[in-house]
Order: sequence, then structure tokens, then C-alpha cells
Amino acid sequence: DQQVKQNSPSLSVQEGRISILNCDYTNSMFDYFLWYKKYPAEGPTFLISISSIKDKNEDGRFTVFLNKSAKHLSLHIVPSQPGDSAVYFCAASAKTGANNLFFGTGTRLTVIP
Amino acid sequence: SQTIHQWPATLVQPVGSPLSLECTVEGTSNPNLYWYRQAAGRGLQLLFYSVGIGQISSEVPQNLSASRPQDRQFILSSKKLLLSDSGFYLCAWGTFEAFFGQGTRLTVV
Repeated sequence: DQQVKQNSPSLSVQEGRISILNCDYTNSMFDYFLWYKKYPAEGPTFLISISSIKDKNEDGRFTVFLNKSAKHLSLHIVPSQPGDSAVYFCAASAKTGANNLFFGTGTRLTVIP
Repeated sequence: SQTIHQWPATLVQPVGSPLSLECTVEGTSNPNLYWYRQAAGRGLQLLFYSVGIGQISSEVPQNLSASRPQDRQFILSSKKLLLSDSGFYLCAWGTFEAFFGQGTRLTVV
């Protein structure tokens, strides 16, 4: 059973526009959420995270929004750049600790120059 | 700074052959270590994690095993590979976030 879902397998955005990647979860016990970025043939790299006590966390061009009532989070990238083209994984944890990370299936973002 | 090394990058193995993937971490002591697998069309799945030498927790029953013979060394093994073992295997370390190695693309033929 997939507890973290990314329903859009792919997304294409024009350079300079906003990219919005979505993620839904089913476990109400999740209290820590992360986004990872993955290039082909490489391991995922940590991008940004948010605790359940917040509804927004911003880091440069990347902002993560959390809607606990809807069990939904999103990653906004603005402005999008061609180098942002990658697969983005959403992850969630029910306890503090990477041994409890549940990952989504990923969304492939393509930023068109 | 901490670095994580994982090898080999790609591997093609016949069904029934053994497997050994190695991962080492530098720049930190007593790290939590993890093996993940990404199968085609699926998310990252945690296979094993270790909080110390000789301490292995298995998350998913499977044809694989893990060992941690040294503090910063984590090994993923199999005695006999199955076709379903094909996938992208990732070693990671960390406490709250997971920091990943480059991954190994395993194809069982």
C-alpha cells in the first residue's frame, strides 16, 4: 500500500515559469516531509523539508507547502530553470528518523528552455 | 564533509548468481546506514537499515541480506539472484534525512 503518492508521473514547464509538484499521503501520523531531487544514474539529493508544525518552508527558489487537513504537500519552484529537470521524490516520516521514510513514486520534471 | 561511496555503478548478473554491493561512508562516525531499492515505476523502498556494527533491521522479506562488518561499511548481498531483484539500489546514511550514494543499476538476466 503506497502511503505517499505522487499522482503525476511527469510535468513539463517553460523556463522562467513556476513548477508545482504535488504529493498526497494517507498516514495521519506522518510529521516530517521531505523532497528529493534525482538526476539519471545518480542517487537522490535532499532538497527541502518541512515539519508538521509548519505550513510553509522556503529556501531560495524552492518552497514547500503543507496542508495537513488535506494530507497534501506541494513543492513550488520559481522561476524554473533547465537545470531543475530531474525526477522529484516526496518522502514522509512518522517518527524522526530516516529509517521511517516513505517515498512516493516520483515526478519527472522537464523544464523547457 | 561527509561522503558516501557505492560501487559498482552498473552490474549485469545471471539468475542464480550471488551478489555483493558495497557502500562506505567517510567523514562521520557511527552513522545510520540504509539500503534502498527503486524498482521500475515504483518509489524508493527501504530494504535494510543499521544503527551500528552488526545491527541490521530488515524492512521487507526478500532474497537479499545486509551486513555491517565495520562502522562505515554496509554490504548488500544475495546468495542467488532472481529476475525480480533487478532495480536501482541505493545506499544512504543519515538520521532525519537520508543522504544517498550514486546507486547501482542491477540487471538480472
